[in-house]
Amino acid sequence: AQKITQTQPGMFVQEKEAVTLDCTYDTSDQSYGLFWYKQPSSGEMIFLIYQGSYDEQNATEGRYSLNFQKARKSANLVISASQLGDSAMYFCAMRAETGNQFYFGTGTSLTVIP
Amino acid sequence: DAGVTQSPTHLIKTRGQHVTLRCSPISGHKSVSWYQQVLGQGPQFIFQYYEKEERGRGNFPDRFSARQFPNYSSELNVNALLLGDSALYLCASQRGPISGYTFGSGTRLTVV
Repeated sequence: AQKITQTQPGMFVQEKEAVTLDCTYDTSDQSYGLFWYKQPSSGEMIFLIYQGSYDEQNATEGRYSLNFQKARKSANLVISASQLGDSAMYFCAMRAETGNQFYFGTGTSLTVIP
Repeated sequence: DAGVTQSPTHLIKTRGQHVTLRCSPISGHKSVSWYQQVLGQGPQFIFQYYEKEERGRGNFPDRFSARQFPNYSSELNVNALLLGDSALYLCASQRGPISGYTFGSGTRLTVV
């Protein structure tokens, strides 16, 4: 069974500062993908970044980077230079490479303070 | 290109009623998945359809059903609504069954 754990219900960060959102996962699959999504109050889930389990380098997408530590089964999201528009819910998710469904964590609410 | 379109955006139903939610995927995407997101939780997988066939089903009762049409749009049906069915229902489309997701904005269902 797959499980995603996000232990930070809420986080605050000062504008222009960096913030790390934690995610740990549990799976027996050898090949899988890890994803982060942003969900503003409008409800739409917006894809941010992807990390494959066999990727040796941490993924980066603009101000987003994924700190992937396979042995510790963690996939933390780092947002650099936070902006007010980054205030939203953030979900970590996992899917087995051959799987057809995503498993989501419970999310972290990020608030960026001016 | 239009994104994933869901309708309606909001609706209110009474316990015991039936509801139909609709989703139009991105043009060229042949797979549609449905998720239920209860307030304060992450989305939970309900169904995946690819080329009009069911490819996966989550741990939901038989009151939940879905189908995909020849144009790849999809309907999610829920019978005998319960208060616990109140949630945001998200549709996601994919080019293929294991491609990345693009989500719609969801349908917010309230059961009273």
